[in-house]
Amino acid sequence: EAGVVQSPRYKIIEKKQPVAFWCNPISGHNTLYWYRQNLGQGPELLIRYENEEAVDDSQLPKDRFSAERLKGVDSTLKIQPAELGDSAVYLCASSSRQGANTEAFFGQGTRLTVV
Amino acid sequence: QKEVEQNSGPLSVPEGAIASLNCTYSDRGSQSFFWYRQYSGKSPELIMFIYSNGDKEDGRFTAQLNKASQYVSLLIRDSQPSDSATYLCAVETSYDKVIFGPGTSLSVIP
Repeated sequence: EAGVVQSPRYKIIEKKQPVAFWCNPISGHNTLYWYRQNLGQGPELLIRYENEEAVDDSQLPKDRFSAERLKGVDSTLKIQPAELGDSAVYLCASSSRQGANTEAFFGQGTRLTVV
Repeated sequence: QKEVEQNSGPLSVPEGAIASLNCTYSDRGSQSFFWYRQYSGKSPELIMFIYSNGDKEDGRFTAQLNKASQYVSLLIRDSQPSDSATYLCAVETSYDKVIFGPGTSLSVIP
């Protein structure tokens, strides 16, 4: 079974430019997460989807970040315009609740460098 | 108070020893607890999860949960150099949000 697939793996952009990340979750997983991880820190939740509905976006900087999950499968995360402080690894994860079981599986991440 | 805290590292143990990693959380209503391992430059990989008070063993790994004291720990027996990584504690809170701790870096010395 394929895991969570993210693209691109790496992205270098100049500040003020837009950037987009794509995520394809594990088949059948209803819950999709976008996390941001800075060096030496744990992942920080940006947004969580249940199917196509964003149920928690309280940590998403809405002035420049947007996300969508059309049809409740693939998702994209966009930053426009990017700032130097946005340099980080952006991780997508998915999970499927089975009883009390909600383990999240991560993709390989997109390492963003804003110069 | 941060929602999920972990003992600060780096933690160094000799090969064959027991490594003990600790995690505390603030939301008393939290239900599910996870340990992820993250190698440098890689994404987190789930290694253990626990929902009930007590111990849960899986091979060389034992997760311990004490909801009254709001802590969860991970013990790694017979530590190997390949266990050297950052270990992330994650907690699913009462409001269905999975919060990660900052991680503890473990180094197993041959």
